[in-house]
Amino acid sequence: QKEVEQDPGPLSVPEGAIVSLNCTYSNSAFQYFMWYRQYSRKGPELLMYTYSSGNKEDGRFTAQVDKSSKYISLFIRDSQPSDSATYLCAMRRTNAGKSTFGDGTTLTVKP
Amino acid sequence: GAGVSQTPSNKVTEKGKYVELRCDPISGHTALYWYRQSLGQGPEFLIYFQGTGAADDSGLPNDRFFAVRPEGSVSTLKIQRTERGDSAVYLCASGPGAGDYGYTFGSGTRLTVV
Repeated sequence: QKEVEQDPGPLSVPEGAIVSLNCTYSNSAFQYFMWYRQYSRKGPELLMYTYSSGNKEDGRFTAQVDKSSKYISLFIRDSQPSDSATYLCAMRRTNAGKSTFGDGTTLTVKP
Repeated sequence: GAGVSQTPSNKVTEKGKYVELRCDPISGHTALYWYRQSLGQGPEFLIYFQGTGAADDSGLPNDRFFAVRPEGSVSTLKIQRTERGDSAVYLCASGPGAGDYGYTFGSGTRLTVV
């Protein structure tokens, strides 16, 4: 059983749809939660981070953390074809350098 | 530099050979990380430097893997006696300091062991 589980998809949606991406985790010590976007043959790019539980919004992106359920989500509103990528969740403990990543969800937004 | 630079971008080597992968972090970033990413999987932690010292090397899979950062800037990941299972994309990331929540990744070195 992996510490961080993520549905690999693939997920295909029409342009303009609302996308929901999710991860579950087992380690209750995780306090920092991140979402990265990765295009083919590129390194992951940080999209959002959240500390502990709660919501955070940045433009079309909203990150949610529910520590009681050990469940995190990323919502993308008004999805665009340029959002087509693999989305990775990541998390880490306080005072720990390393992050533990999910295996990513591949998203395709069709024009 | 403007971003994290990794060289080479691609490396093909024969089984049993020694390889070095280089990472040039963002100027001024004290934290540097190495991850390994296999096809269809998320990045897997290898080692984390804070300045010149390895703060956490718990992810190095065995003693064939070694990394250095002698001057607190450029880092080199060294793999001895390469095996086919070492084939992966090796990602480097840097961050402004200890405890930063997210880092900037390079585009990686794609290592293929034949």
